[in-house]
Amino acid sequence: NAGVTQTPKFQVLKTGQSMTLQCAQDMNHEYMSWYRQDPGMGLRLIHYSVGAGITDQGEVPNGYNVSRSTTEDFPLRLLSAAPSQTSVYFCASSLSRSSYEQYFGPGTRLTVT
Amino acid sequence: QKEVEQDPGPLSVPEGAIVSLNCTYSNSAFQYFMWYRQYSRKGPELLMYTYSSGNKEDGRFTAQVDKSSKYISLFIRDSQPSDSATYLCAMSALNTGNQFYFGTGTSLTVIP
Repeated sequence: NAGVTQTPKFQVLKTGQSMTLQCAQDMNHEYMSWYRQDPGMGLRLIHYSVGAGITDQGEVPNGYNVSRSTTEDFPLRLLSAAPSQTSVYFCASSLSRSSYEQYFGPGTRLTVT
Repeated sequence: QKEVEQDPGPLSVPEGAIVSLNCTYSNSAFQYFMWYRQYSRKGPELLMYTYSSGNKEDGRFTAQVDKSSKYISLFIRDSQPSDSATYLCAMSALNTGNQFYFGTGTSLTVIP
């Protein structure tokens, strides 16, 4: 099993550009989520999904869109990048919403200039 | 006020020392308490999990939860250089949809 994979590992964007961060898991997990990690702020939930076709907002959803068309994939879209979105983005998955163990991907380091 | 507060450190100890890492929280509904370890430029990985109050031991690691004080701890005995990482506490509750609330992380370095 590859676990949770994320691409790309690094990305530099200019303000106003859009892009999609990819996330995939091969563990047949129902629950998937996106976090951003910033110094002094910890991990903050952006969006999550409890299954294919079902998504919801987390703590900091503004400027991001998600969709979940399959169990395996959960892409995160930045609509119009802003410098405030410079961060490290982690995708995570777990068996279900009530699972205490989340499996994290290796992260995507995004810089917006 | 943040849901979860964690001293960011950094913490530097000699090999073999006992390390104590702590978090406080404000939401009395939190029932699930986790400790994640994050190596540099990697994703977090679950280290320990505790439900409600009490202690849990796993090898050199002990997790403690004191719900009356809203305080959780992770103890590392006989610390090793391989324990050098950032340790994140996380909590969740049924009435928050099991959303995880993370601390900011404590950076630990164990010096050989």
